[in-house]
Amino acid sequence: DTGVSQDPRHKITKRGQNVTFRCDPISEHNRLYWYRQTLGQGPEFLTYFQNEAQLEKSRLLSDRFSAERPKGSFSTLEIQRTEQGDSAMYLCASSLGDGGRAGYTEAFFGQGTRLTVV
Amino acid sequence: TQLLEQSPQFLSIQEGENLTVYCNSSSVFSSLQWYRQEPGEGPVLLVTVVTGGEVKKLKRLTFQFGDARKDSSLHITAAQPGDTGLYLCAIRSAGNQFYFGTGTSLTVIP
Repeated sequence: DTGVSQDPRHKITKRGQNVTFRCDPISEHNRLYWYRQTLGQGPEFLTYFQNEAQLEKSRLLSDRFSAERPKGSFSTLEIQRTEQGDSAMYLCASSLGDGGRAGYTEAFFGQGTRLTVV
Repeated sequence: TQLLEQSPQFLSIQEGENLTVYCNSSSVFSSLQWYRQEPGEGPVLLVTVVTGGEVKKLKRLTFQFGDARKDSSLHITAAQPGDTGLYLCAIRSAGNQFYFGTGTSLTVIP
């Protein structure tokens, strides 16, 4: 396992279309996070899962956004009826919920999916 | 209001110079992470600091956690062009999400 992987790396879509991104976390990590990042800013939290349960959602996650983690492994983030304001880097991260032997939790990120809505 | 404030927001220096970036908050944290992010890539974890006053070194990078665990600094000695990137500090909130600072965008000019 080489880390968190995201697919696709880049996505260009027309306004109004639906898009879906996939994230494969580090295999032993039970927590998975989705973030959105615009140029020059820090990542903004969208949602996170512990195993297959979606435990928290940001108010940034409008009803056009939905995330799933059906088997507690990979996750998908879908954006329906995309808008130009959805253009951003979408980042996935994973972590061990209890921090493992270290006793603290560290998040490891994928390379992100760059979405451009035209 | 940002939970984590980073300064400066932008920094452009010549190769070989030293620099320090800061991450400040009014809240106390049990641990704090520093990440570096290159354009078009995801953030890469550099270090986690846990104990108040702790200093960790990673080659030319020195990380310090404030005594009160409310702030942290990152010092880079003899900066190189490869250090260019967005430096982010992050904490895990009570809600179990990772919360990021505003970031410091560093450019090291050869």
